[in-house]
Amino acid sequence: GDSVTQMEGPVTLSEEAFLTINCTYTATGYPSLFWYVQYPGEGLQLLLKATKADDKGSNKGFEATYRKETTSFHLEKGSVQVSDSAVYFCALIPNTGNQFYFGTGTSLTVIP
Amino acid sequence: GAGVSQTPSNKVTEKGKYVELRCDPISGHTALYWYRQSLGQGPEFLIYFQGTGAADDSGLPNDRFFAVRPEGSVSTLKIQRTERGDSAVYLCASSFVRAGGYEQFFGPGTRLTVL
Repeated sequence: GDSVTQMEGPVTLSEEAFLTINCTYTATGYPSLFWYVQYPGEGLQLLLKATKADDKGSNKGFEATYRKETTSFHLEKGSVQVSDSAVYFCALIPNTGNQFYFGTGTSLTVIP
Repeated sequence: GAGVSQTPSNKVTEKGKYVELRCDPISGHTALYWYRQSLGQGPEFLIYFQGTGAADDSGLPNDRFFAVRPEGSVSTLKIQRTERGDSAVYLCASSFVRAGGYEQFFGPGTRLTVL
């Protein structure tokens, strides 16, 4: 079945460090891929998405590229800030489906 | 504009009781989804409505769980004979059309605690 596996946390980085959170998926066909972020005390917010192979989603300095050959959608940011501290969820929607399949989430803490 | 709202934000109940959780989607969104998020886990799909009808209820864990959306807008998730294992955050999301490349907008969730 469809599923998402993401890097376990928690992750702690110093401000301005480089961030990578790994995400791989299993799905038939060509799913759409998403990263959602949950800031402390807030609901899930879409961070970025990609709907076809080789697409790059980007937002707020974060990027992720849809790699069909490696079934991956790794999240990267070149220089993290304290305000990026949150839980990050990788997710997919199958191309014929209507529900998200989420990873377990990766908690990121950025220290000054 | 207003986002997805959910009430109550917190609900504490006793084992065996009945609870109702409400979701008010973004105006004009035809698709509505319920998810359940247990501690330390990602959200898990429960049910999806397109308009008034439940298009996919394959995620409902058992027949104690039921959801309605009678007028194609507000939805209510109903849980009968609650069990301690039902304790979780229940999330509602809405979108313009069925998912795929379309973003789902999530509400803040209802934290349900069953004592």
